[in-house]
Amino acid sequence: AAGVIQSPRHLIKEKRETATLKCYPIPRHDTVYWYQQGPGQDPQFLISFYEKMQSDKGSIPDRFSAQQFSDYHSELNMSSLELGDSALYFCASSSSGQGGTEAFFGQGTRLTVV
Amino acid sequence: AQSVTQLDSQVPVFEEAPVELRCNYSSSVSVYLFWYVQYPNQGLQLLLKYLSGSTLVKGINGFEAEFNKSQTSFHLRKPSVHISDTAEYFCAVAGMNSGGSNYKLTFGKGTLLTVNP
Repeated sequence: AAGVIQSPRHLIKEKRETATLKCYPIPRHDTVYWYQQGPGQDPQFLISFYEKMQSDKGSIPDRFSAQQFSDYHSELNMSSLELGDSALYFCASSSSGQGGTEAFFGQGTRLTVV
Repeated sequence: AQSVTQLDSQVPVFEEAPVELRCNYSSSVSVYLFWYVQYPNQGLQLLLKYLSGSTLVKGINGFEAEFNKSQTSFHLRKPSVHISDTAEYFCAVAGMNSGGSNYKLTFGKGTLLTVNP
């Protein structure tokens, strides 16, 4: 079965650079979620999109922005990167319909800021 | 808003011993409850979930959990652990709401289960 695809899997950036993370949800899933997991931390919710509109917002810095496109894939744009942005970034997708029972997670993108 | 408390940050056990990882939650609305496992440098794998119905739910790898609404708990148990169960375990809650973001998760801080020979 198709899963959530995240790219790239690993990314190394320098301070003050920009990074773009991509997420391809499971087909026919209408909701995408982004999470940030710092070293030794629990995943923290950043932002979600339902039917291409922002549906919820968590602890996402103003330097970050995200969107969901017409094909339902989503991108997380991170600018003016800081050392503290080094983390594992997860994307998850779910269906809001009656068949939806959980959010399915991708394998994550490990971002290292040097 | 929801919150999750995992009462133990680390749980060391010997192989073949039983284990219980404790999780309590707080929410002003009805919730869905989940347990995830994360192996080092890997993603999140769903162990089990409670959405409705029977309060005892069984998951993968021999794990089970019981939803106790009066105590707002969702403790994870396994009768006999293996070395390969060594990992970080996260309890998570999603508040039921209409429309999108039905499965926006709030995670606990995690419990590191270490199984020793």
